[in-house]
Amino acid sequence: DQQVKQNSPSLSVQEGRISILNCDYTNSMFDYFLWYKKYPAEGPTFLISISSIKDKNEDGRFTVFLNKSAKHLSLHIVPSQPGDSAVYFCAARDTSNTGKLIFGQGTTLQVKP
Amino acid sequence: NAGVTQTPKFRVLKTGQSMTLLCAQDMNHEYMYWYRQDPGMGLRLIHYSVGEGTTAKGEVPDGYNVSRLKKQNFLLGLESAAPSQTSVYFCASSYSKGLISPLHFGNGTRLTVT
Repeated sequence: DQQVKQNSPSLSVQEGRISILNCDYTNSMFDYFLWYKKYPAEGPTFLISISSIKDKNEDGRFTVFLNKSAKHLSLHIVPSQPGDSAVYFCAARDTSNTGKLIFGQGTTLQVKP
Repeated sequence: NAGVTQTPKFRVLKTGQSMTLLCAQDMNHEYMYWYRQDPGMGLRLIHYSVGEGTTAKGEVPDGYNVSRLKKQNFLLGLESAAPSQTSVYFCASSYSKGLISPLHFGNGTRLTVT
């Protein structure tokens, strides 16, 4: 069973507009949520995170929103730039002592100039 | 400034062959992980280690073995490769489990089993 789901495999937006990437989860025991960005032929790189006790975290053009009642989080990129074109993975950390992450399937974002 | 290094970058195996994927990190991280990435499946955890000499199973451990004899190295072994193990394998490390310590990933090993 997929505990972290990204139901949109791809998203295309125009440069300068907002990109919204969505993620749903089923496990109430997750304590942190993270977004990773991945370019082709490279490993994922950490982008932004949010604790389960918060509902928003902002870092420059990137903002993550968490709606615990809906078990939903989203990543907003404003304004979108062509260099943001990549695969974005949502991940959640379980509350055990290992810190291991459960990843979603990924969403491919294309930002058109 | 190497970070996490994976070798090899590419490999083609025949069914039944064995191989070992190597992962080395130079950040003195305690935690190390092996993930596989498949289309439509995201990244799935195979095995992980919370310190030198320790290993544990992740979500999809069957068909793989691991060893962490030295803190900086985490090896992933395939004893008898199967076509279902065709995937991109990523090694990652993190400093601790505590305050969120993001994973640092290597650039992956693309494995094809024919």
